[in-house]
Formats: sequence, C-alpha cells, structure tokens
Amino acid sequence: AQSVTQLGSHVSVSEGALVLLRCNYSSSVPPYLFWYVQYPNQGLQLLLKYTSAATLVKGINGFEAEFKKSETSFHLTKPSAHMSDAAEYFCAVSRSGSSNTGKLIFGQGTTLQVKP
Amino acid sequence: GEEVAQTPKHLVRGEGQKAKLYCAPIKGHSYVFWYQQVLKNEFKFLISFQNENVFDETGMPKERFSAKCLPNSPCSLEIQATKLEDSAVYFCASSQPQEWDYNEQFFGPGTRLTVL
Repeated sequence: AQSVTQLGSHVSVSEGALVLLRCNYSSSVPPYLFWYVQYPNQGLQLLLKYTSAATLVKGINGFEAEFKKSETSFHLTKPSAHMSDAAEYFCAVSRSGSSNTGKLIFGQGTTLQVKP
Repeated sequence: GEEVAQTPKHLVRGEGQKAKLYCAPIKGHSYVFWYQQVLKNEFKFLISFQNENVFDETGMPKERFSAKCLPNSPCSLEIQATKLEDSAVYFCASSQPQEWDYNEQFFGPGTRLTVL
C-alpha cells in the first residue's frame, strides 16, 4: 500500500525566508510524486511532479522539490517566500507502471503562513 | 471547456435525503476522478472513469454512493440517504488520455455538501 506523511500541519515563515515543506512517502513500487497547492475555497493546482526523470524537479511560482529515494522523501522548497504563497499544500503519491490506476493518495496537508 | 466545471457550488441536504453532484471534465479529457475532502484535509479517492467506463472504484463506499459518466452528459456522483459524515467537499478532476499515466489531473473548484 502507498501512503504519504507530511511533517508539520502548520508552517510559518517570514516573507523572503526559505520555505521548506516536508513529505515522506511509502510505496512498494516506484512512485510518482506530486505537490499541489490549494487556495481558500478553490480546487487543487499542480505545483510540480516527479515521474522518474530528473530527481530535482522545478515547478511553478519558484517552487522545487527533490526526490530522494534513500530517504523516501520529496520535500518542497522555495528560496524566498512571498505573501501570495500562503495556502494549503498537499503532497501526493501514485503508482507508476502497469499497476497505476491514476488515483492519488494525499498527505494530510500543510498550511503555510507567510508573515510580513 | 478549458476548466473542470462542478455544480452546484454548495448543496445542503437533510439527513436521509439524496444528493447529486455534477462534473463536466475539460473537453478532450477522457479520464475523470472523484475525491472527497473532509475537514479541509484528508483527500480520499472515490472512483475514476475512462470515458463512460468505471476505471477504478476501490474508494467508493459500498452502500449509498454511485457514480456515472454517460456520453454527452456531465458525470455525476449520487449519494442516497445522506448521513452527517458525508458532509465534505467533493472534487472532480480530469485528465487527458496521454497524460493520465503521469496523473496530470486538473481539479474543479469542488462542491461543498452539508448534511444537516
């Protein structure tokens, strides 16, 4: 079975500071990994995805994530936080290959607060 | 359309009443996914379709929940005899045929179901 754990349900940073949101996964097969952002009362927007190509993945809005198989991690980072980054962030995993049915397994979410 | 459309935005039902939610996927997308979000986190996969065929229903509750995707009609998710615990935001997502393996899912804004 696959699962995702996001460490820290709430992260607070100052504007301009580094953003680090942690995600660890468990998967018996090579995973696909995703980070989504959810703004209030909206659906999910894909930030970036890892699909077994480069381990360092760059996404939209200056975010990036690094797939580390040895640590089973896929942490999300951004060098300098902006007020508009305040939102809920979800890490998700799915299977790759023939066992993939497309469904996403989500972590519990991390609320990012950006202070002026 | 260019976005996943979900109707209605809000739905209020008394316990025991029926609820029906609709989803129009992005034009050209043949995969549709339904997710349930309870209490602002805890996304749970319910069911997916490939065109009008059920693709994966491993997340669907055995009782009371049903879903359809018929040709030339919005997809629907129906809950018979709603319970308080069904209160959640229900998200629909769609995916292009060539992208589904990479789970490039585009999410709608969701339908908030409140069961009183």
